[in-house]
Amino acid sequence: GQQLNQSPQSMFIQEGEDVSMNCTSSSIFNTWLWYKQDPGEGPVLLIALYKAGELTSNGRLTAQFGITRKDSFLNISASIPSDVGIYFCAGQQANSGGYQKVTFGIGTKLQVIP
Amino acid sequence: KAGVTQTPRYLIKTRGQQVTLSCSPISGHRSVSWYQQTPGQGLQFLFEYFSETQRNKGNFPGRFSGRQFSNSRSEMNVSTLELGDSALYLCASRRQGSGNTIYFGEGSWLTVV
Repeated sequence: GQQLNQSPQSMFIQEGEDVSMNCTSSSIFNTWLWYKQDPGEGPVLLIALYKAGELTSNGRLTAQFGITRKDSFLNISASIPSDVGIYFCAGQQANSGGYQKVTFGIGTKLQVIP
Repeated sequence: KAGVTQTPRYLIKTRGQQVTLSCSPISGHRSVSWYQQTPGQGLQFLFEYFSETQRNKGNFPGRFSGRQFSNSRSEMNVSTLELGDSALYLCASRRQGSGNTIYFGEGSWLTVV
């Protein structure tokens, strides 16, 4: 099925470092979403972006909806050990029937070294 | 309020059998969607239901089916299980309407042996 191009696919960082990950697509989306998944759990919504150019923060997390509506990035500042997990981007668009279809990136696996 | 609830959490089935997974959405959410997650393929969309009708469908074979009940609870069924069906199956719910985001359950881990 269709997927977004999410990068990097994995990263190891030192505690306290900032992290940046992004997603790109050939399709336009009307909503960008970022989720975090802990091992053995379902993804949890971190940030939702609804407007092109929108920049939204949630604590140490900041995400932006690209102007072209085809990309988004997520930044995590001052990483801590509990930031470990897999981060997914997702683009949402309406299908011909007006119902929203969500497409996910492959995920970025983040490891934080204490 | 309670989140998305999925049952069972873990199950093991034999190749050729069929399986039914259940999902109760967040109260007030009438849209339920299902995803398959595997290490190599990430999150793959299966289908979405709203008002007991399938509104969206991914690229999965006909062995994968679902339904939604009048109380918005949903079930998905996989018939004639194959080894490759081993995965985490995630259910998500949302309020219907443009821009409303989806919230996931913890998933059902299916192992086919």
